[in-house]
Amino acid sequence: EVQLVESGGDLVQPGRSLRLSCAASGFTFSNYWVHWVRQAPGKGLVWVSRIKDDGSSTSYADSVKDRFTISRDNAKNTLYLQMNSLRAEDTAVYYCARDPSGAAGWYFDLWGRGTLVIVSS
Amino acid sequence: ELVMTQSPATLSVSPGERATLSCRASQSVSSNLAWYQQQPGQAPRLLIYRTSTRAAGIPARFSGSGSGTEFTLTISSLQSEDFAVYYCQQYNNWPRTFGQGTKVEIK
Repeated sequence: EVQLVESGGDLVQPGRSLRLSCAASGFTFSNYWVHWVRQAPGKGLVWVSRIKDDGSSTSYADSVKDRFTISRDNAKNTLYLQMNSLRAEDTAVYYCARDPSGAAGWYFDLWGRGTLVIVSS
Repeated sequence: ELVMTQSPATLSVSPGERATLSCRASQSVSSNLAWYQQQPGQAPRLLIYRTSTRAAGIPARFSGSGSGTEFTLTISSLQSEDFAVYYCQQYNNWPRTFGQGTKVEIK
């Protein structure tokens, strides 16, 4: 089955760190750019970060730049998001999403079910 | 940042009727516009990309149109499984941005 499965979400205090994972299966993970998109409770979708298929290039939204780091291990078919200096406004469901368009676009044809991160004291 | 504005916020439609959802960009995004459907508690699902191309497995009752700054998603005859929230997304400008969503509810 073609799928993405996120994990690692938790309740964490402001200023602490958390690492999210996204396991891919059923397709050739190393052929695709992949992204993180988040959704605060009751709110819309916000793009967070992306990584090129071979891991050689990354991008971040201004709101997370210098705090979050995206990475991937193509041998393990896994995407990661290292989240440091977490803030209350980072509270959201985090989705990983596959991008079939690569440099040409950035839209998302496969999404995981998401993992919930709550930042609160 | 390019702002995507969807209207209406909520659309009440009876099953079998037609639904028309709008998405407006604050500046041109050419044809680089996608639509997603999100059911409660579920991940978004890609419906349309490049303004009017249906994603794999998406029924023909879903269609997209527009260009530049004005876009439309039309659901020709609403089925029970179509009641959901719909988001547009532009992928022409940095950063990629989504609209705030249109909830399609049963009338």
